[in-house]
Amino acid sequence: GDSVTQMEGPVTLSEEAFLTINCTYTATGYPSLFWYVQYPGEGLQLLLKATKADDKGSNKGFEATYRKETTSFHLEKGSVQVSDSAVYFCALRALDSNYQLIWGAGTKLIIKP
Amino acid sequence: EAGVAQSPRYKIIEKRQSVAFWCNPISGHATLYWYQQILGQGPKLLIQFQNNGVVDDSQLPKDRFSAERLKGVDSTLKIQPAKLEDSAVYLCASTSTFTGELFFGEGSRLTVL
Repeated sequence: GDSVTQMEGPVTLSEEAFLTINCTYTATGYPSLFWYVQYPGEGLQLLLKATKADDKGSNKGFEATYRKETTSFHLEKGSVQVSDSAVYFCALRALDSNYQLIWGAGTKLIIKP
Repeated sequence: EAGVAQSPRYKIIEKRQSVAFWCNPISGHATLYWYQQILGQGPKLLIQFQNNGVVDDSQLPKDRFSAERLKGVDSTLKIQPAKLEDSAVYLCASTSTFTGELFFGEGSRLTVL
Protein backbone atom coordinates (compact mmCIF):
# COMPACT_ATOMS: atom_id res chain seq x y z
CA GLY A 1 0.00 0.00 0.00
CA ASP A 2 0.88 3.67 -0.12
CA SER A 3 3.33 4.88 2.51
CA VAL A 4 5.44 7.87 3.57
CA THR A 5 8.87 7.80 5.19
CA GLN A 6 10.46 10.88 6.71
CA MET A 7 13.68 11.47 8.56
CA GLU A 8 13.67 10.83 12.25
CA GLY A 9 14.03 13.65 14.70
CA PRO A 10 14.57 15.59 16.63
CA VAL A 11 16.45 17.89 14.31
CA THR A 12 18.24 20.63 16.24
CA LEU A 13 19.56 23.70 14.42
CA SER A 14 20.75 27.16 15.28
CA GLU A 15 18.77 30.18 14.18
CA GLU A 16 19.44 31.20 10.54
CA ALA A 17 20.68 27.72 9.62
CA PHE A 18 19.55 25.92 6.46
CA LEU A 19 16.89 23.28 6.97
CA THR A 20 16.20 20.07 5.08
CA ILE A 21 13.74 17.45 6.26
CA ASN A 22 13.70 14.43 3.98
CA CYS A 23 10.51 12.75 2.87
CA THR A 24 10.09 9.86 0.44
CA TYR A 25 6.94 8.09 -0.57
CA THR A 26 5.62 4.90 -2.11
CA ALA A 27 2.42 5.09 -4.14
CA THR A 28 0.99 3.17 -7.05
CA GLY A 29 -0.88 6.12 -8.51
CA TYR A 30 -0.19 9.83 -8.82
CA PRO A 31 -0.51 11.22 -5.32
CA SER A 32 -0.75 14.76 -4.10
CA LEU A 33 1.92 15.53 -1.52
CA PHE A 34 1.66 17.68 1.59
CA TRP A 35 3.65 19.09 4.47
CA TYR A 36 1.71 19.76 7.66
CA VAL A 37 3.07 21.55 10.71
CA GLN A 38 2.04 21.17 14.34
CA TYR A 39 3.16 23.96 16.65
CA PRO A 40 3.26 23.21 20.40
CA GLY A 41 -0.24 23.01 21.81
CA GLU A 42 -1.91 23.58 18.46
CA GLY A 43 -3.65 21.52 15.81
CA LEU A 44 -2.22 20.41 12.48
CA GLN A 45 -1.97 23.08 9.80
CA LEU A 46 -1.31 22.66 6.12
CA LEU A 47 2.08 24.22 5.36
CA LEU A 48 2.36 23.55 1.64
CA LYS A 49 1.35 21.10 -1.04
CA ALA A 50 2.11 19.92 -4.57
CA THR A 51 -0.30 18.05 -6.77
CA LYS A 52 1.85 16.87 -9.69
CA ALA A 53 5.42 16.06 -10.63
CA ASP A 54 7.86 19.00 -10.64
CA ASP A 55 5.41 21.25 -8.81
CA LYS A 56 6.97 23.34 -6.05
CA GLY A 57 4.93 24.16 -3.00
CA SER A 58 5.96 27.15 -0.90
CA ASN A 59 4.75 29.00 2.16
CA LYS A 60 6.33 31.04 4.99
CA GLY A 61 9.78 30.63 3.44
CA PHE A 62 9.48 26.84 3.26
CA GLU A 63 9.66 25.01 -0.07
CA ALA A 64 9.28 21.45 -1.31
CA THR A 65 9.47 20.09 -4.85
CA TYR A 66 7.55 17.02 -6.01
CA ARG A 67 10.23 14.73 -7.50
CA LYS A 68 8.61 11.75 -9.18
CA GLU A 69 11.91 10.24 -10.33
CA THR A 70 13.19 9.99 -6.76
CA THR A 71 9.71 9.72 -5.14
CA SER A 72 10.68 12.53 -2.79
CA PHE A 73 9.21 15.72 -1.36
CA HIS A 74 11.93 17.17 0.85
CA LEU A 75 11.13 20.24 2.94
CA GLU A 76 13.65 23.11 2.86
CA LYS A 77 14.06 26.55 4.34
CA GLY A 78 17.00 28.84 3.82
CA SER A 79 17.10 30.49 7.24
CA VAL A 80 15.14 29.07 10.14
CA GLN A 81 13.81 31.02 13.10
CA VAL A 82 13.05 30.00 16.66
CA SER A 83 9.36 30.31 15.79
CA ASP A 84 9.75 27.46 13.29
CA SER A 85 10.18 25.00 16.15
CA ALA A 86 7.41 22.46 15.65
CA VAL A 87 6.68 18.95 14.43
CA TYR A 88 6.53 18.58 10.65
CA PHE A 89 4.56 15.83 8.93
CA CYS A 90 4.86 14.70 5.34
CA ALA A 91 1.72 13.13 3.86
CA LEU A 92 0.24 11.93 0.60
CA ARG A 93 -3.23 11.56 -0.76
CA ALA A 94 -4.24 9.45 -3.73
CA LEU A 95 -7.20 7.88 -5.45
CA ASP A 96 -5.80 4.42 -4.64
CA SER A 97 -6.09 5.24 -0.92
CA ASN A 98 -9.60 6.67 -1.28
CA TYR A 99 -8.13 10.19 -0.93
CA GLN A 100 -7.31 9.54 2.70
CA LEU A 101 -4.15 11.16 4.03
CA ILE A 102 -1.25 8.74 4.49
CA TRP A 103 1.13 10.19 7.06
CA GLY A 104 4.78 10.01 7.90
CA ALA A 105 5.78 9.69 11.56
CA GLY A 106 6.68 13.35 11.92
CA THR A 107 9.97 15.15 12.50
CA LYS A 108 10.43 17.37 15.51
CA LEU A 109 12.40 20.52 14.72
CA ILE A 110 14.11 22.47 17.49
CA ILE A 111 15.64 25.84 16.67
CA LYS A 112 18.03 27.32 19.22
CA PRO A 113 18.65 31.09 19.39
CA GLU B 1 -14.69 31.76 9.65
CA ALA B 2 -14.75 29.57 12.76
CA GLY B 3 -12.43 26.59 12.72
CA VAL B 4 -12.99 23.01 13.81
CA ALA B 5 -13.99 22.97 17.48
CA GLN B 6 -13.15 20.09 19.79
CA SER B 7 -13.79 19.42 23.45
CA PRO B 8 -12.57 18.67 25.99
CA ARG B 9 -8.96 19.69 25.33
CA TYR B 10 -7.67 17.41 28.07
CA LYS B 11 -9.07 14.37 29.84
CA ILE B 12 -7.53 12.07 32.42
CA ILE B 13 -9.33 8.83 33.28
CA GLU B 14 -8.52 5.47 34.78
CA LYS B 15 -8.50 2.32 32.69
CA ARG B 16 -11.88 0.69 32.18
CA GLN B 17 -13.62 4.05 32.49
CA SER B 18 -15.41 5.67 29.57
CA VAL B 19 -14.81 8.97 27.80
CA ALA B 20 -16.45 10.96 25.02
CA PHE B 21 -15.03 13.58 22.70
CA TRP B 22 -17.02 16.10 20.73
CA CYS B 23 -16.24 17.76 17.41
CA ASN B 24 -18.00 20.55 15.55
CA PRO B 25 -16.64 20.89 12.01
CA ILE B 26 -16.45 24.01 9.90
CA SER B 27 -19.93 25.02 8.77
CA GLY B 28 -20.89 23.34 5.51
CA HIS B 29 -18.16 20.72 5.60
CA ALA B 30 -19.71 17.40 4.64
CA THR B 31 -16.71 15.18 5.36
CA LEU B 32 -15.50 14.66 8.91
CA TYR B 33 -12.59 12.57 10.16
CA TRP B 34 -11.45 11.31 13.55
CA TYR B 35 -7.77 10.51 13.95
CA GLN B 36 -5.76 9.04 16.81
CA GLN B 37 -2.27 10.48 17.25
CA ILE B 38 0.01 8.61 19.62
CA LEU B 39 3.08 10.50 20.81
CA GLY B 40 5.88 10.27 18.25
CA GLN B 41 3.67 8.92 15.48
CA GLY B 42 1.67 10.30 12.61
CA PRO B 43 -2.11 10.48 12.86
CA LYS B 44 -4.03 7.26 12.34
CA LEU B 45 -7.47 7.47 10.76
CA LEU B 46 -10.18 6.00 12.97
CA ILE B 47 -13.31 6.88 11.04
CA GLN B 48 -14.46 9.02 8.13
CA PHE B 49 -18.00 10.37 7.75
CA GLN B 50 -19.65 11.81 4.67
CA ASN B 51 -22.62 13.77 6.02
CA ASN B 52 -24.10 11.31 8.53
CA GLY B 53 -22.89 8.16 6.77
CA VAL B 54 -19.73 6.20 7.52
CA VAL B 55 -17.26 6.06 4.60
CA ASP B 56 -14.47 4.15 6.34
CA ASP B 57 -14.21 2.74 9.84
CA SER B 58 -11.84 -0.11 9.05
CA GLN B 59 -9.28 0.98 11.67
CA LEU B 60 -11.76 1.75 14.44
CA PRO B 61 -11.50 -0.78 17.31
CA LYS B 62 -15.20 -1.43 17.36
CA ASP B 63 -15.14 -3.48 20.54
CA ARG B 64 -14.43 -0.31 22.52
CA PHE B 65 -14.67 2.69 20.20
CA SER B 66 -17.81 4.14 18.69
CA ALA B 67 -18.57 7.30 16.77
CA GLU B 68 -21.64 8.98 15.46
CA ARG B 69 -22.65 11.98 13.42
CA LEU B 70 -26.40 11.79 13.68
CA LYS B 71 -27.42 15.03 11.96
CA GLY B 72 -24.46 15.27 9.62
CA VAL B 73 -22.95 18.16 11.54
CA ASP B 74 -21.19 17.60 14.87
CA SER B 75 -19.78 14.26 15.91
CA THR B 76 -18.99 12.32 19.07
CA LEU B 77 -16.25 9.72 19.56
CA LYS B 78 -16.63 7.41 22.56
CA ILE B 79 -14.25 4.97 24.18
CA GLN B 80 -15.63 2.38 26.57
CA PRO B 81 -13.84 0.82 28.35
CA ALA B 82 -10.57 2.68 27.97
CA LYS B 83 -7.20 0.94 27.97
CA LEU B 84 -3.77 2.31 28.78
CA GLU B 85 -2.81 2.19 25.09
CA ASP B 86 -5.67 4.58 24.24
CA SER B 87 -3.61 7.44 25.67
CA ALA B 88 -3.26 9.75 22.68
CA VAL B 89 -4.47 12.96 21.09
CA TYR B 90 -7.76 12.56 19.25
CA LEU B 91 -7.94 14.86 16.27
CA CYS B 92 -11.01 15.89 14.36
CA ALA B 93 -10.77 17.25 10.83
CA SER B 94 -13.25 18.37 8.21
CA THR B 95 -13.29 19.20 4.54
CA SER B 96 -15.86 20.63 2.19
CA THR B 97 -15.20 18.21 -0.65
CA PHE B 98 -13.91 14.68 -0.84
CA THR B 99 -10.56 15.81 -2.25
CA GLY B 100 -10.38 19.21 -0.57
CA GLU B 101 -8.00 20.51 2.07
CA LEU B 102 -8.48 19.11 5.56
CA PHE B 103 -8.85 21.53 8.46
CA PHE B 104 -7.93 20.21 11.90
CA GLY B 105 -9.12 21.03 15.36
CA GLU B 106 -6.67 21.48 18.24
CA GLY B 107 -7.27 17.94 19.44
CA SER B 108 -8.35 16.28 22.66
CA ARG B 109 -5.53 14.82 24.73
CA LEU B 110 -6.49 11.66 26.61
CA THR B 111 -4.42 10.17 29.40
CA VAL B 112 -5.46 6.75 30.68
CA LEU B 113 -3.96 5.80 34.06
